[in-house]
Amino acid sequence: AQKVTQAQTEISVVEKEDVTLDCVYETRDTTYYLFWYKQPPSGELVFLIRRNSFDEQNEISGRYSWNFQKSTSSFNFTITASQVVDSAVYFCALRPVYNQGGKLVFGQGTELSVKP
Amino acid sequence: NAGVTQTPKFQVLKTGQSMTLQCAQDMNHEYMSWYRQDPGMGLRLIHYSVGAGITDQGEVPNGYNVSRSTTEDFPLRLLSAAPSQTSVYFCASRPGLAGQEQYFGPGTRLTVT
Repeated sequence: AQKVTQAQTEISVVEKEDVTLDCVYETRDTTYYLFWYKQPPSGELVFLIRRNSFDEQNEISGRYSWNFQKSTSSFNFTITASQVVDSAVYFCALRPVYNQGGKLVFGQGTELSVKP
Repeated sequence: NAGVTQTPKFQVLKTGQSMTLQCAQDMNHEYMSWYRQDPGMGLRLIHYSVGAGITDQGEVPNGYNVSRSTTEDFPLRLLSAAPSQTSVYFCASRPGLAGQEQYFGPGTRLTVT
């Protein structure tokens, strides 16, 4: 079975602080994809990043960076110099490639509040 | 492309009523799915389809039916609404390859009284 855990339910920071959102996953599959989605207050789900299990390179996109560590089954997301517009709920998700119809399994989400 | 569209955006039902949530995509995606989002529980998969004529159950299928007669449409039917089905419902689609990102619709907020 697949499971994604986001232990931080809510995080509150002041603008310009750096913040890291944790994601830990469980899977018996050797081939899988990991995703991060953002859900702003308007409610839509916005795709942020996809990472496959064979690629442990960290990725940086502007103020966003992702740290994938297969040894600890973690895929953490860091926002550098946070801004009020980063306030949202962030979801980490896992999809096995070959099993269970490739279903996407979500974590519970972390609500990030960035205060001015 | 309109992407993934859902109707209605909001709906209030009385217990026992039935209704269909509509979902359509114009990207010729093979894979479509329905999720429900509840506070503190993330998104949970209700039903999914890997192509026209093929559907399967997800994590929380009870109380919901689906069908996939065309590639474009994937309606979700509530046969007899219950207060426990109060939730936000998202439809999603993606190409067949597992590594592709999933495109989500804007969601339907359903309240069952």
